[in-house]
Amino acid sequence: GQNIDQPTEMTATEGAIVQINCTYQTSGFNGLFWYQQHAGEAPTFLSYNVLDGLEEKGRFSSFLSRSKGYSYLLLKELQMKDSASYLCAVRDRDYKLSFGAGTTVTVRA
Amino acid sequence: IAGITQAPTSQILAAGRRMTLRCTQDMRHNAMYWYRQDLGLGLRLIHYSNTAGTTGKGEVPDGYSVSRANTDDFPLTLASAVPSQTSVYFCASSEGAPGIEQFFGPGTRLTVL
Repeated sequence: GQNIDQPTEMTATEGAIVQINCTYQTSGFNGLFWYQQHAGEAPTFLSYNVLDGLEEKGRFSSFLSRSKGYSYLLLKELQMKDSASYLCAVRDRDYKLSFGAGTTVTVRA
Repeated sequence: IAGITQAPTSQILAAGRRMTLRCTQDMRHNAMYWYRQDLGLGLRLIHYSNTAGTTGKGEVPDGYSVSRANTDDFPLTLASAVPSQTSVYFCASSEGAPGIEQFFGPGTRLTVL
């Protein structure tokens, strides 16, 4: 099974940088995903890491260390529209996803 | 239809009643999934299907059943609803079982009284 931990809430100022950490314990690792979910909406895919290192996609970057069971999502140049929940998910060898409880990010002007 | 749709959008149901949540996708994705999302617990996998004709159990399958008669449809049935099944239900699909991105439907908000 999977045990995935991420902070419940974070607050940051518009234009700033926020880093959301995710730690996991898994019986079989086959990739780590980040999803964004605005209130009342469906989750949408942000990033995917299967090898160690940093994946950059515009203002968002995701990092993975498999040996440490650790990932982070970095949001740069924060905008008000980035206020949302960010879900860390681990995929197992059967290609099923297990999600953390999510981190609610609030961006303030 | 564009992407993945779910019906109904919301439903209030009496305990003990049978209910089927519908999910349809037009992306010809092989794999489909049902999740429930509860406050503080995140998304939990109920059942999944890697291809038409096959299904599998996820983390919380008890009280739910699914079928996958064709590629497009993946209905979730609650045979006899209980209040603990009050939740938001999301259907998702991906191009293949190892597909990278799962696309989520808009969700069904179910309340069991």
